[in-house]
Amino acid sequence: AQKVTQAQTEISVVEKEDVTLDCVYETRDTTYYLFWYKQPPSGELVFLIRRNSFDEQNEISGRYSWNFQKSTSSFNFTITASQVVDSAVYFCALPDTGRRALTFGSGTRLQVQP
Amino acid sequence: DTEVTQTPKHLVMGMTNKKSLKCEQHMGHRAMYWYKQKAKKPPELMFVYSYEKLSINESVPSRFSPECPNSSLLNLHLHALQPEDSALYLCASSQETGFSGANVLTFGAGSRLTVL
Repeated sequence: AQKVTQAQTEISVVEKEDVTLDCVYETRDTTYYLFWYKQPPSGELVFLIRRNSFDEQNEISGRYSWNFQKSTSSFNFTITASQVVDSAVYFCALPDTGRRALTFGSGTRLQVQP
Repeated sequence: DTEVTQTPKHLVMGMTNKKSLKCEQHMGHRAMYWYKQKAKKPPELMFVYSYEKLSINESVPSRFSPECPNSSLLNLHLHALQPEDSALYLCASSQETGFSGANVLTFGAGSRLTVL
């Protein structure tokens, strides 16, 4: 069975600090996808990134970057120079391929203080 | 603006009421989903429709009844709910319908349901 662990329940930083959100996963699949979603206070989950397990290159998108390490089953997410608008709950997710469902981690609540 | 629209945003109902949640998308997506999210918990899958046919039911109690009248619309009919059913109900859609695990879901803002 798929499992996603986000050990950090809540993180609070001051604006402009860098912050890393951890994600550790378990899967028996040899190929798989990993996702990060953001849930702001408004409620909708916003897709951030999808990563194929074949592609271990780190990815950068503006202030966001992702570090995928298959050897440690981790897919960590870093926000550089955090902003108040980054305040949200961030979910790491791994599809349960057989059921086409997303198995979400428990989420990390990020609060960025001005 | 979200491309998946859910109505109503808030709903309060008694245990004997019948109500419906509605979801609409115009992205041409052929898979649609209902998720339930309790406070401070991750979303949990309830139902999946693929090409307007129910393909997954996560053993959801029959007091929740999904309906997909066409490829753009998804309803969730509610009847005889319990207070523990109070939650945020999220609708999502995806372009992909296969089982590759690559589906990117586009979520709506949710309908916050309170059962008294």
